[in-house]
Amino acid sequence: DAGVTQSPTHLIKTRGQQVTLRCSPKSGHDTVSWYQQALGQGPQFIFQYYEEEERQRGNFPDRFSGHQFPNYSSELNVNALLLGDSALYLCASSLTQGDEAFFGQGTRLTVV
Amino acid sequence: QQQVKQSPQSLIVQKGGISIINCAYENTAFDYFPWYQQFPGKGPALLIAIRPDVSEKKEGRFTISFNKSAKQFSLHIMDSQPGDSATYFCAASLWAGKSTFGDGTTLTVKP
Repeated sequence: DAGVTQSPTHLIKTRGQQVTLRCSPKSGHDTVSWYQQALGQGPQFIFQYYEEEERQRGNFPDRFSGHQFPNYSSELNVNALLLGDSALYLCASSLTQGDEAFFGQGTRLTVV
Repeated sequence: QQQVKQSPQSLIVQKGGISIINCAYENTAFDYFPWYQQFPGKGPALLIAIRPDVSEKKEGRFTISFNKSAKQFSLHIMDSQPGDSATYFCAASLWAGKSTFGDGTTLTVKP
């Protein structure tokens, strides 16, 4: 059983560009959450998707947007990239009726 | 406003010793408290979790102690091994909702 998979694993973008990160949840999971983890810090909640809709959102600007597809996979889009967006972006999947979340290995985004 | 405070920032323990990491939270509505282990270049992996109606939970060498009145919880790693060297995060969440993480503790277990 594949766990949570994220792509790509690493990405380098230029300031001002746009980026799309992808996540496939663990089999059977219907809820996807995205987190940003800056170096040396704990993950910060960006938003959560369930039934193709954003259910909760953290304190992130509108430049951060997402999408969930009918197969529960998800995308995170970041527009107008800033140097400060450089971080490890983590996807976590869970059951909507449960608390246990499983994280992917993350996408390391570097903005230059 | 940081809702989950974790200490210490770093910890060095001898092989076979006990590692203790502490967390404090503010929001009394939190009802799920997981601990994650993260190795460099990897995502966090769920280690053990507890709900506030239980004061202690043990799984193998890992134990969570929970003090609801003090709004504190801690992770104890018994018989610490070099392979336990990693960064540990506590977190707190509302049911099926977002998790709020501490800033992490880097554990080094010396052989």
